[in-house]
Amino acid sequence: AQKVTQAQTEISVVEKEDVTLDCVYETRDTTYYLFWYKQPPSGELVFLIRRNSFDEQNEISGRYSWNFQKSTSSFNFTITASQVVDSAVYFCALSVDQAGGSYIPTFGRGTSLIVHP
Amino acid sequence: DAGITQSPRHKVTETGTPVTLRCHQTENHRYMYWYRQDPGHGLRLIHYSYGVKDTDKGEVSDGYSVSRSKTEDFLLTLESATSSQTSVYFCAISESGTYEETQYFGPGTRLLVL
Repeated sequence: AQKVTQAQTEISVVEKEDVTLDCVYETRDTTYYLFWYKQPPSGELVFLIRRNSFDEQNEISGRYSWNFQKSTSSFNFTITASQVVDSAVYFCALSVDQAGGSYIPTFGRGTSLIVHP
Repeated sequence: DAGITQSPRHKVTETGTPVTLRCHQTENHRYMYWYRQDPGHGLRLIHYSYGVKDTDKGEVSDGYSVSRSKTEDFLLTLESATSSQTSVYFCAISESGTYEETQYFGPGTRLLVL
């Protein structure tokens, strides 16, 4: 069975601080994908990034960066110089290559990030 | 943005009444999903569909039924709504349902059962 743990229920920072959202996953499969989604206060779920298990290169997109480490089964998300607009709930998800079935991702419970001005 | 709409966007109903939520997509994707989102639980899968008239249960399917008569529409029905079904419901789609694919979500429906 798969599991995704986002241990940080809520994080509160002041604008311009750097913040890291943790995602730890469990799976026995060697082939899988990891995802991050953002849910701003308006409520929609926005896809941010997808990473496969064979690509451990870190990803940077503007102020966002992702650190994938198979050795620790983690796929952490860092926001540099946070802004109020980054306030949202962030979800991490895992999808594994299971033979013989439909591929339903497992979602973490989310981390609520509050960025104060 | 993926072309996914949900209707209604907000609904208030009374315990015991039937409720149907609709998800409509314009992407011609094969897979469609219904999730519910509750505080402390994240997203939980209710049902999903892998084609017209092909559906399967998710982890929280009790009290819900679904139907898919057309590729573009996936309906979620609460036969007799209960207060525990007060939630935010999200529809999602993916092209072929493979593990590599990203699921794209609709805007959500807020349901309050009094």
